[in-house]
Amino acid sequence: AQRVTQPEKLLSVFKGAPVELKCNYSYSGSPELFWYVQYSRQRLQLLLRHISRESIKGFTADLNKGETSFHLKKPFAQEEDSAMYYCALYNQGGKLIFGQGTELSVKP
Amino acid sequence: DGGITQSPKYLFRKEGQNVTLSCEQNLNHDAMYWYRQDPGQGLRLIYYSQIVNDFQKGDIAEGYSVSREKKESFPLTVTSAQKNPTAFYLCASSIESAWGNQPQHFGDGTRLSIL
Repeated sequence: AQRVTQPEKLLSVFKGAPVELKCNYSYSGSPELFWYVQYSRQRLQLLLRHISRESIKGFTADLNKGETSFHLKKPFAQEEDSAMYYCALYNQGGKLIFGQGTELSVKP
Repeated sequence: DGGITQSPKYLFRKEGQNVTLSCEQNLNHDAMYWYRQDPGQGLRLIYYSQIVNDFQKGDIAEGYSVSREKKESFPLTVTSAQKNPTAFYLCASSIESAWGNQPQHFGDGTRLSIL
């Protein structure tokens, strides 16, 4: 079954601390993975995609096929990073499958 | 200013009524999608359309209907058959590309509540 799992509903860290939002997937083919972010009172927007291998707002995510993971990391969290984060996977039918989401709260 | 416009922002429905949520995009995207967002469940796909005059059911299509008569418009009707319609509804669009799946762009959403 094609599935995306984000095990943490809520992740709370202090400003300046490292943050890692976990994402595991189940997919038989070669996955196309994304991280989307939804800031308070803003629309859901793309944060990064694994094929770009880029860093956006200090965030990076590496695809680990052995562990079937695509964790989102940032070495030093900022208060403005507080948001809802969704990991998503495109399946072979062209449908985007979302995880349940993780709410990141960065405390001052 | 290009983007996806969903209206209305808030919608109230009486029991037994059908309501239609509007989604318009001026991005010239081929594909459009409707999702339902519930707390703790992420986004679930209701319907999607990859080309005008064609659409497919998503994972939770029961109680919903759509049409795609124009490239820029993809309205969603929540029918009285939908037993739990109270939710936040998101519309999205993306380019259809020969170079693989493209990121989806989202609207601001419509919050539907039952009176």
